[in-house]
Amino acid sequence: QQQVKQSPQSLIVQKGGISIINCAYENTAFDYFPWYQQFPGKGPALLIAIRPDVSEKKEGRFTISFNKSAKQFSLHIMDSQPGDSATYFCAARGQSSGSARQLTFGSGTQLTVLP
Amino acid sequence: DTGVTQSPTHLIKTRGQQVTLRCSPISGHKSVSWYQQVLGQGPQFIFQYYEKEERGRGNFPDRFSARQFPNYSSELNVNALLLGDSALYLCASSLDPGAGGEKLFFGSGTQLSVL
Repeated sequence: QQQVKQSPQSLIVQKGGISIINCAYENTAFDYFPWYQQFPGKGPALLIAIRPDVSEKKEGRFTISFNKSAKQFSLHIMDSQPGDSATYFCAARGQSSGSARQLTFGSGTQLTVLP
Repeated sequence: DTGVTQSPTHLIKTRGQQVTLRCSPISGHKSVSWYQQVLGQGPQFIFQYYEKEERGRGNFPDRFSARQFPNYSSELNVNALLLGDSALYLCASSLDPGAGGEKLFFGSGTQLSVL
């Protein structure tokens, strides 16, 4: 129930195209859904995040769409650029043992944007 | 402001040895979390510390331990290393686990190789 399933595993998009990455979860107690971008040799960096009471959030070229009833959320990257080539992780925040809130990450999507 | 700093960046150990990884959070951040990222997978929660107290623990054996110091820096210790402990160990800091604490800022990690 703590799993977050992410697809696709890899994605190749032409420059200027739209990249779409999907995630699904089971635990209805998750209350915060961030997306992270990770470049080789670096730690994940927060890209954009959404709470379940909102269906969509847009920041620049990045949009999260959230479907609470389906327990699914997705990241859309508009006008994809070669500099967007990275690994993207969805995550969901839930309760760990003790009083901590922990992030459960998806398995990642390797995005390649061709010039 | 400097980001989250981790040391060392790379480490090679042999099976059965012990290792200590270090993390300094962003100035003003009082919460530190540790995550393990195995190659090709998303980060997995190990511990969260806030105000020097353990607030949460993930599904890791007792060979993993951590502590947080009065200056909010943290150490992760792993005893009796196994080949499967080879991974990127990420430290993340946040303001506090409560309001606003959901924004985690990750360091670049320590790459541990166990031979």
